[in-house]
Amino acid sequence: KNQVEQSPQSLIILEGKNCTLQCNYTVSPFSNLRWYKQDTGRGPVSLTIMTFSENTKSNGRYTATLDADTKQSSLHITASQLSDSASYICVVSVYGNNRLAFGKGNQVVVIP
Amino acid sequence: SQTIHQWPATLVQPVGSPLSLECTVEGTSNPNLYWYRQAAGRGLQLLFYSVGIGQISSEVPQNLSASRPQDRQFILSSKKLLLSDSGFYLCAWTHPGGEEQYFGPGTRLTVT
Repeated sequence: KNQVEQSPQSLIILEGKNCTLQCNYTVSPFSNLRWYKQDTGRGPVSLTIMTFSENTKSNGRYTATLDADTKQSSLHITASQLSDSASYICVVSVYGNNRLAFGKGNQVVVIP
Repeated sequence: SQTIHQWPATLVQPVGSPLSLECTVEGTSNPNLYWYRQAAGRGLQLLFYSVGIGQISSEVPQNLSASRPQDRQFILSSKKLLLSDSGFYLCAWTHPGGEEQYFGPGTRLTVT
């Protein structure tokens, strides 16, 4: 069964600090992995997308890593800002049928 | 540029009442369209997807239905709402054959 597990479920960090979110998946065959940011009450917005051959991708203060061998990904937020408060969703695409497996998200709260 | 709209943004409906949620995409042709539901504390659940006018695939058996009367219009309906239908409904689109999904702003549905 194609599953995506994210940890921690939620975390609170001080403004200016860094944090790392984890995503483990069992999706096979693998096509690509995306991280989305979802503000409360809004639709998800894509941050990064990585294929099998990519092991790191950055988008501003967001850096995603991928280890396709261990089926793990992480999203690192550098110098967090209050606007980083959101849910971060890991999404893995199944190769060949465009199906997506969604994680439940990491809820991040940045406090001043 | 492409944009996706959802209407209404919020909705409160009594149990047993009908439902109609609308999603429209602008700036592209023949998109693949998707309806998702996001319940509190859970990941996105794919409900329906469509690769063309009148072509609807259902992922989860339930009292909801979807229709695609026009190329860039996707409608989610129900004849009689249940309490369990409450949630955040997201519409998304992709280019034909594409994998990157672009999400709409969502509709918050509360069934009372």
